[in-house]
Amino acid sequence: GAVVSQHPSRVICKSGTSVKIECRSLDFQATTMFWYRQFPKKSLMLMATSNEGSKATYEQGVEKDKFLINHASLTLSTLTVTSAHPEDSSFYICSARGNLNSPLHFGNGTRLTVT
Amino acid sequence: DAKTTQPPSMDCAEGRAANLPCNHSTISGNEYVYWYRQIHSQGPQYIIHGLKNNETNEMASLIITEDRKSSTLILPHATLRDTAVYYCIVSLEYGNKLVFGAGTILRVKS
Repeated sequence: GAVVSQHPSRVICKSGTSVKIECRSLDFQATTMFWYRQFPKKSLMLMATSNEGSKATYEQGVEKDKFLINHASLTLSTLTVTSAHPEDSSFYICSARGNLNSPLHFGNGTRLTVT
Repeated sequence: DAKTTQPPSMDCAEGRAANLPCNHSTISGNEYVYWYRQIHSQGPQYIIHGLKNNETNEMASLIITEDRKSSTLILPHATLRDTAVYYCIVSLEYGNKLVFGAGTILRVKS
């Protein structure tokens, strides 16, 4: 149980375009999901907390207009990287928990490359 | 959330126990110790968590000192597939975000 799925696993886009990354909880409902990014050989950095039915909470230094988060249902949160630049190239990972008695589970990440 | 300190890297022989230490001297009374690992190019995988009692599951054992200022994750019989970055995280339980530190790179060698 507690499977978190991300799509796509890899994406290449051109500078200036927008890219949407989906995060789904496959066998449970998640009122809260978390989005992280990870640069090569670095640790995960929390970007934002995605709350179902309300606005996301962004960590300090993360541009909310740059990284749009939508959590429209209890099983789906999306992260849209708008007007992508090469410096946005990174590994983006989402996470969610099934219920208050379960630990956080992570998706397998999305490798974004902006050319 | 309390900060944690882990050695940057460790080596372990295949088949032997891997003991990964973590210091969390500023942990508060209601914060738990979580362990995750990340294999290259994958998302982190949950291993185990605990509050003050030692915990064991099918993957590992977690030993927390009586003063809760440090803990050790034990992989009883390490295999090559256990090579990964291991993260020790202190956090309030349930519903709270997890803040990752640098972790320990564990290399299991044959």
